[in-house]
Amino acid sequence: SAVISQKPSRDICQRGTSLTIQCQVDSQVTMMFWYRQQPGQSLTLIATANQGSEATYESGFVIDKFPISRPNLTFSTLTVSNMSPEDSSIYLCSGKGGVDTGELFFGEGSRLTVL
Amino acid sequence: SQQGEEDPQALSIQEGENATMNCSYKTSINNLQWYRQNSGRGLVHLILIRSNEREKHSGRLRVTLDTSKKSSSLLITASRAADTASYFCATRGFSGGYNKLIFGAGTRLAVHP
Repeated sequence: SAVISQKPSRDICQRGTSLTIQCQVDSQVTMMFWYRQQPGQSLTLIATANQGSEATYESGFVIDKFPISRPNLTFSTLTVSNMSPEDSSIYLCSGKGGVDTGELFFGEGSRLTVL
Repeated sequence: SQQGEEDPQALSIQEGENATMNCSYKTSINNLQWYRQNSGRGLVHLILIRSNEREKHSGRLRVTLDTSKKSSSLLITASRAADTASYFCATRGFSGGYNKLIFGAGTRLAVHP
């Protein structure tokens, strides 16, 4: 299994600012994903973070708003740009291991509140 | 995109009782997985069932899959207070959707001592 660490775990941000969330995995993972979870709701996939190339975004999410980097197999960042109160949410990083057991490993999430 | 729908949305039971949660989905799947999320935490993988399997067990967990009805159920037997959490089903598709997991709405389970 892989252990995924995210930081910050929570933050309170001002409208119009940007925040970068970091995700570190303790072992190499083949794929990494970023999800958003609004309070009391399910998870929505934002994008697949591709190593060394542009992320693959899901419908409704764009690179200008959620730029993602993945410089190597164990690290990724998600930036939430020009934040508004609607971006208040939990952002979760996840990874799929090298041996494809099919499951995803999740970080503890980053809870953002935008004022 | 395929989206699992789960019912009930919330379930409240006493310790020792069994808890059953259901999940339905819309398109063909490669596998279906169940995850648990404790309040304020990340998700933890519980069990995976492949499309050619009908039932799977893991400890106190029993999962069934009916691909003809596009539905699955998760049974937790002899529940404990520590089972209090949200439970999500997630489906994995084919080809372009193969590597993505799409999550259902979730069931919030409360187990009372």
